[in-house]
Amino acid sequence: SAVISQKPSRDICQRGTSLTIQCQVDSQVTMMFWYRQQPGQSLTLIATANQGSEATYESGFVIDKFPISRPNLTFSTLTVSNMSPEDSSIYLCSVETSGTIPDTQYFGPGTRLTVL
Amino acid sequence: AQSVTQLDSQVPVFEEAPVELRCNYSSSVSVYLFWYVQYPNQGLQLLLKYLSGSTLVKGINGFEAEFNKSQTSFHLRKPSVHISDTAEYFCARYNQGGKLIFGQGTELSVKP
Repeated sequence: SAVISQKPSRDICQRGTSLTIQCQVDSQVTMMFWYRQQPGQSLTLIATANQGSEATYESGFVIDKFPISRPNLTFSTLTVSNMSPEDSSIYLCSVETSGTIPDTQYFGPGTRLTVL
Repeated sequence: AQSVTQLDSQVPVFEEAPVELRCNYSSSVSVYLFWYVQYPNQGLQLLLKYLSGSTLVKGINGFEAEFNKSQTSFHLRKPSVHISDTAEYFCARYNQGGKLIFGQGTELSVKP
């Protein structure tokens, strides 16, 4: 398994601003992912954070809106840019430790974002 | 497209009663299935998983699930629930692209 922490745990932001969310893992992992959970909804994959290269985005998500960094095997950031109230969600980081399918994804506690 | 469907959005039960949360998946050659739980204001925690082998999978907190290939189901069960089991439960599977996809979730509400 893996122990994952996220910062901040929650934030309230103004429209038009940006927020960077950090994800830290207690061990080196092969795969890191970012998900969005809109109020009352299930989880939707935003992107796969690739170490040393650009993130791989899912359909409907773009780098300009959700830039992602992954400078090493234990850390990643997700930025929510130019926020609007529709961005109010829980953002979750997850990791896979083995890098092979099938594997288990472990999730961080999430960042609760409210945009006013 | 490969998918999972959770048939109940809400399941209210009384404490100490048995519960079943239903999950169906679209059939494919390889199926890897998971149940996660999300307690209020928390992240997701893995309850159990089916990768291969025995079709009856036991997880944490007294939960178990049965992989049923003929019914394409992976229902989650617990013989006696507690108030502390109140949470959102998500069924998930890997799709062909190696991505984890989630069902819509089932809200389990345990009442005294």
